[in-house]
Amino acid sequence: EAQVTQNPRYLITVTGKKLTVTCSQNMNHEYMSWYRQDPGLGLRQIYYSMNVEVTDKGDVPEGYKVSRKEKRNFPLILESPSPNQTSLYFCASSLSKSLGDIQYFGAGTRLSVL
Amino acid sequence: AQRVTQPEKLLSVFKGAPVELKCNYSYSGSPELFWYVQYSRQRLQLLLRHISRESIKGFTADLNKGETSFHLKKPFAQEEDSAMYYCALSGNAGGTSYGKLTFGQGTILTVHP
Repeated sequence: EAQVTQNPRYLITVTGKKLTVTCSQNMNHEYMSWYRQDPGLGLRQIYYSMNVEVTDKGDVPEGYKVSRKEKRNFPLILESPSPNQTSLYFCASSLSKSLGDIQYFGAGTRLSVL
Repeated sequence: AQRVTQPEKLLSVFKGAPVELKCNYSYSGSPELFWYVQYSRQRLQLLLRHISRESIKGFTADLNKGETSFHLKKPFAQEEDSAMYYCALSGNAGGTSYGKLTFGQGTILTVHP
């Protein structure tokens, strides 16, 4: 089944403890991105990647890192999480970076930073 | 810069009533507009996009460039339409050739029996 898989689905951590949220897609998509969803703010893009080894900042990149060593994987790294990073995170992928491409989303990761 | 505004955070209607979810955008070029939906306990998924000009689950949306709007409409709402709806715009980011997707704040639609 074609899909975007995120792990873990739920995560509770403490301030300053490094964590990684994994994202994998099996559709051979070029474009991958990370969003956070917060009440009243909608979905905001954190980072995106147009292909292997090509990543760039989205609208809210502070406090996050990403890597794209393989086409299928796009992990989100929080080196030193803080409470304001408590949020619902979504990974998404699309076939290419074209304007009209459909985004396919993962199921989401709910992160709480205490 | 590109921006998407959904003025209603919450929208409640009764089953069988018409429903319209508003979406306004700001973009200097010719955008691609989408509506994504998130049902309870399900992942965000595409509902429709303006380029397809199709009706999905009874919903339609027309791009009005003069009013810079892309409102989502359905003539007779059903209880299963209750969900979070996001309007999204894909435009060239800073003159590049790729599509940057910008989402609105989302509208929670509740359809009462």
